[in-house]
Order: sequence, then structure tokens, then C-alpha cells
Amino acid sequence: AQRVTQPEKLLSVFKGAPVELKCNYSYSGSPELFWYVQYSRQRLQLLLRHISRESIKGFTADLNKGETSFHLKKPFAQEEDSAMYYCALAWTSYGKLTFGQGTILTVHP
Amino acid sequence: NAGVMQNPRHLVRRRGQEARLRCSPMKGHSHVYWYRQLPEEGLKFMVYLQKENIIDESGMPKERFSAEFPKEGPSILRIQQVVRGDSAAYFCASSLNPSGTQETQYFGPGTRLLVL
Repeated sequence: AQRVTQPEKLLSVFKGAPVELKCNYSYSGSPELFWYVQYSRQRLQLLLRHISRESIKGFTADLNKGETSFHLKKPFAQEEDSAMYYCALAWTSYGKLTFGQGTILTVHP
Repeated sequence: NAGVMQNPRHLVRRRGQEARLRCSPMKGHSHVYWYRQLPEEGLKFMVYLQKENIIDESGMPKERFSAEFPKEGPSILRIQQVVRGDSAAYFCASSLNPSGTQETQYFGPGTRLLVL
């Protein structure tokens, strides 16, 4: 069965420090992976998807099939990055999502 | 585009009552997903609907829960005879045409259900 694990419930860093939010998945097929973000008092929104290989707001994520990971990274964290981050796996033709438990990122000034 | 709308944003029910949660997808979207987030957990898929059709309800509890997406009007998630364990945040998402796994789902603000 498919599963997404985010081992860190809370992550705190100082402004300007590098940040890495971990995500591991379990899926026997070809995964489609996403990172969603929820800022305070806002709705859940897509941050990036692995197939696009894009960088959004300075964040990148590389799919490592050998380690079954899709960690989210940013070299220099900003205070406005403080939010809840969810890693998600899509595994049907209609995009049904399996979410991790989420990581609350706090960036201190 | 106003985005995905959900109402009510907060709903309080007593045990045994019914809860009706509404979701209006983004304009032009005809695909709706419902997810539930229990306290301290991630979002879990409940049901996927297209207009007038339930495509995948594998995440729906077998009893008391039902969903619909009529030709006109919002999608509705209905919970009959609510119990305390139904207290959760219920999120709706819509997409334009999920022809593949990469189609973006746009989420609503959620409905927080509290069962007393």
C-alpha cells in the first residue's frame, strides 16, 4: 500500500539557515510527488511537484527513487517560510492524493 | 475566480445529529475530492466525484457517510448520526480535468466539525 512519511512534526531554524523537510514514500509503482504548504490562516496550496523540476520561492525537491525520498530543501530560510508543509503522493489516473502527517516549519528571526 | 468555497467554516453538532458540508468547486471544475484531517494527523482521502457520479469512495466509512455532486449546485458531504470521532477538519478540492496525476487540485478552506 502507498504511504507517505514525514518524520519531523516540528522543525525550527533561524533565518538564513538551510532547511530540509524530509519525506519518504512507499509505493510500488511510478510515484508522482508533491509538496503542499499551508500558511497561517490560509488554505492548502501546491508548492511544487517533482515532475516539473522547478524551484518555487527558493524551494527545490528531488525525487530519489533509490531512497524513496522527496525531501524539500531551501538554502536560506526566510521568516515568511514559516508554515505547515505536507508531502503528498498521487497514484491514480485521477490524482488521488496520499498525504504525510505534515511538518510545521518555524523560521526564527 | 473565487476559488473553492466551503461552508460552513465551522459546524457544531451534538451526537446523533446530521452534518451537511458543502463544497463549491472553482468555476469550470467538474471534479471534486473530499479529504478528512483528524487531530494530529495528515489529510486522508475520502471520496472523488465527478458531476452526478461517485468515481472512488474507497476512503469513506461504510456507514453514516455519503457524498454527492449534483448536476447543479455544490458537492455535499453528509454525515448522519454524528459521533465524537467524526470531529475533524473536512477539506474539499477541485480540479479541472484530472487526465493524469499531475493535474493540480485546488483546496478549499475546510469545514471544522465539532461533535459534542
